[in-house]
Amino acid sequence: ETGVTQTPRHLVMGMTNKKSLKCEQHLGHNAMYWYKQSAKKPLELMFVYSLEERVENNSVPSRFSPECPNSSHLFLHLHTLQPEDSALYLCASSRASGRALGTQYFGPGTRLTVL
Amino acid sequence: ILNVEQSPQSLHVQEGDSTNFTCSFPSSNFYALHWYRWETAKSPEALFVMTLNGDEKKKGRISATLNTKEGYSYLYIKGSQPEDSATYLCASYNTDKLIFGTGTRLQVFP
Repeated sequence: ETGVTQTPRHLVMGMTNKKSLKCEQHLGHNAMYWYKQSAKKPLELMFVYSLEERVENNSVPSRFSPECPNSSHLFLHLHTLQPEDSALYLCASSRASGRALGTQYFGPGTRLTVL
Repeated sequence: ILNVEQSPQSLHVQEGDSTNFTCSFPSSNFYALHWYRWETAKSPEALFVMTLNGDEKKKGRISATLNTKEGYSYLYIKGSQPEDSATYLCASYNTDKLIFGTGTRLQVFP
């Protein structure tokens, strides 16, 4: 499983910390995604990037700040998070965004705990 | 609000048993239905993408059917094995969004 990698796999942070999640895809895809999965809830789409441009932001609070410096890398910068932000954060990539048939390839996720 | 529902939430079966579970999705503005298999501590892995009413896909012992008119898909596993233990997610592409269900967690006991 080396197509989409995420680091770190686990992160514990205080509410005043600043940290970043990193995602890298080795599949030559043009679209990248951040999802959040909270306990017993479905995957929630947070952000979509296509060719390094943000094309979707699903009403995500500004304490989550994405960055896509190139089509292979995606970051999620975190600051002043709340305990309810504790969740599994998944990154995914696909050949293009907005395609119904486009399979998304996922990373293993970062388990985030906010104390 | 578009909802994708999966049932049951969890399932325990004996090795060798066949099993199936359901994904219900909005039939309006429907384009495609995706199934993923997600093992604990690993990445979700794509199983099938289906678009046409009556579509049937098969991959080894796993198969899926699609009814776009009534908005449901079934996933079948024939002769379950312990390595089939995972959460099975479906996701429906309606209008311009991929909406995920909460998954069915399958545990297969030897």
